[in-house]
Amino acid sequence: DTAVSQTPKYLVTQMGNDKSIKCEQNLGHDTMYWYKQDSKKFLKIMFSYNNKELIINETVPNRFSPKSPDKAHLNLHINSLELGDSAVYFCASSRRGGQGAPGNTIYFGEGSWLTVV
Amino acid sequence: AQSVTQPDIHITVSEGASLELRCNYSYGATPYLFWYVQSPGQGLQLLLKYFSGDTLVQGIKGFEAEFKRSQSSFNLRKPSVHWSDAAEYFCAGTPRTAGNMLTFGGGTRLMVKP
Repeated sequence: DTAVSQTPKYLVTQMGNDKSIKCEQNLGHDTMYWYKQDSKKFLKIMFSYNNKELIINETVPNRFSPKSPDKAHLNLHINSLELGDSAVYFCASSRRGGQGAPGNTIYFGEGSWLTVV
Repeated sequence: AQSVTQPDIHITVSEGASLELRCNYSYGATPYLFWYVQSPGQGLQLLLKYFSGDTLVQGIKGFEAEFKRSQSSFNLRKPSVHWSDAAEYFCAGTPRTAGNMLTFGGGTRLMVKP
């Protein structure tokens, strides 16, 4: 009964490849996110979607393209992978307004460990 | 600029000892504040959150945190640490006017000595 699930958990791929990470939440939330955790454990938001609409797009290379087919899914597609893309990518979800509305909590998935060689 | 800072990169405590992890924030107005824990190879689990009201908030696993406006701090505490508490701890904040923009501190790695 995982609330936010990501696949794959581990991914090793070569430079230049294109890969996708899938995310699904079964919490009935309408807002989903992608966060990136670098090798120094620093976490930073990449994207946020609300009801399939992009609402936050931080400074991320356009090789990264999120896709939300419905409000329960937010997939991350990465083109032309580079060594620097190696990181842990976390999917997350919350109700509308995220943490700003009292009682809301952002729930995180278990992460996808991407290694580019 | 809005920021969350965790001054301690690593902390080592003995099992059974008390723990305090520091977190400072810099926002124009009081943000919403959170503590998350990440065990090795695992995702992020919410320990507790502060929105308003009582400045001492209780969380899961016996953790608590105290919001101090005068010090711009939101330190995490536990009276008696267990070996299973060894993990990475992240403080995070978001402005009240932009509810879904979590900014994380750099994390504190907690090690527990037997």
